[in-house]
Amino acid sequence: AQTVTQSQPEMSVQEAETVTLSCTYDTSESDYYLFWYKQPPSRQMILVIRQEAYKQQNATENRFSVNFQKAAKSFSLKISDSQLGDAAMYFCAYRRRGAGSYQLTFGKGTKLSVIP
Amino acid sequence: KAGVTQTPRYLIKTRGQQVTLSCSPISGHRSVSWYQQTPGQGLQFLFEYFSETQRNKGNFPGRFSGRQFSNSRSEMNVSTLELGDSALYLCASSLVSLRQETQYFGPGTRLLVL
Repeated sequence: AQTVTQSQPEMSVQEAETVTLSCTYDTSESDYYLFWYKQPPSRQMILVIRQEAYKQQNATENRFSVNFQKAAKSFSLKISDSQLGDAAMYFCAYRRRGAGSYQLTFGKGTKLSVIP
Repeated sequence: KAGVTQTPRYLIKTRGQQVTLSCSPISGHRSVSWYQQTPGQGLQFLFEYFSETQRNKGNFPGRFSGRQFSNSRSEMNVSTLELGDSALYLCASSLVSLRQETQYFGPGTRLLVL
């Protein structure tokens, strides 16, 4: 079974600084997706960024970028120029690619605080 | 385009009762998945429906069931509620096609069982 581990339950960052959230996963599959979702206090789960395992290039979305190390099964999220609105729970998630199911496996989450 | 909607947003029930939650996916999305979120267990997959068929089911007791209608709207039902069923229930929808398989979440239904 696939597992996703986020080893940092809580992190904090100064506004305008950069922070990196860690995620490791375990799978025997070669083709899969990895995601970072953000869950603010409103509890709405918002997609931050997506990475396809077959792509060697790291995904970026504005201030958000990932460092995807397939061999190490590592998928970290870097947030640059942190803003107060970035404060939230961040979940790393895995999904096997292919027909049959869209089941996501989530990590336990990292609570990010942004200090003004 | 409207996002995923879930109703009701909040529910209070007592032990032994049953509850039905509803999820309307993004227009055109045919896959709907349900997740339970609790402080202790985190986010756990309940089941997924595609074209009115359950494609996959998580490790939950038979008290948890669901269905999907021809318009892709989905409902989940929990019978004989237990205190441990108190949770945030999240629904996610996805467009089933190559390269467009990201799941988008609704705001959730918060269920409190007394």
